[in-house]
Amino acid sequence: DTGVSQDPRHKITKRGQNVTFRCDPISEHNRLYWYRQTLGQGPEFLTYFQNEAQLEKSRLLSDRFSAERPKGSFSTLEIQRTEQGDSAMYLCASSPSRDSPGGEQFFGPGTRLTVL
Amino acid sequence: RKEVEQDPGPFNVPEGATVAFNCTYSNSASQSFFWYRQDCRKEPKLLMSVYSSGNEDGRFTAQLNRASQYISLLIRDSKLSDSATYLCVSHTGGFKTIFGAGTRLFVKA
Repeated sequence: DTGVSQDPRHKITKRGQNVTFRCDPISEHNRLYWYRQTLGQGPEFLTYFQNEAQLEKSRLLSDRFSAERPKGSFSTLEIQRTEQGDSAMYLCASSPSRDSPGGEQFFGPGTRLTVL
Repeated sequence: RKEVEQDPGPFNVPEGATVAFNCTYSNSASQSFFWYRQDCRKEPKLLMSVYSSGNEDGRFTAQLNRASQYISLLIRDSKLSDSATYLCVSHTGGFKTIFGAGTRLFVKA
């Protein structure tokens, strides 16, 4: 399967714990996005990488959230000191550089986080 | 006010019906627009891009009205398989993508 993959698919954690999610984009895509989606809402933009550079970061991304894409391939999203309000689906998407920044994004299956 | 707002839904329509969704955006700097489809418990997938001249893909027609800042999606001859949530998306030309909350469509036999 050459689509976007995310790991883990599900994560249950206790409040106050740190969690880290991984995203592997489609191999030739140098643009990578992270979103958060809660029930009944559309995906909320969190952050954007072009290669290894983090070029955009939402105000939603508090100090407890950090994302990296060290070699311009896979990316990680870490949430420190999780809160119950962090419970959501975390989606990763990638797109090719040949498209404009607003071009089609290919989404992974998401990581569902439950904070108890 | 949300940057992208959609009809609240849900829309319940019989097979074969024509259904239209509207979406408004507040940022006049928005440059590109899309409709994504999201099936239950699945990731969003691009349905179609939206151009100022309008575009059609089979039973689906998308329109953009920049003066009024709204986007529409028309689905003709609805199929059971069209049941999903339809997400309106705007992009300002930077790197931030804004999704609407989505409109749920149920097509019934």
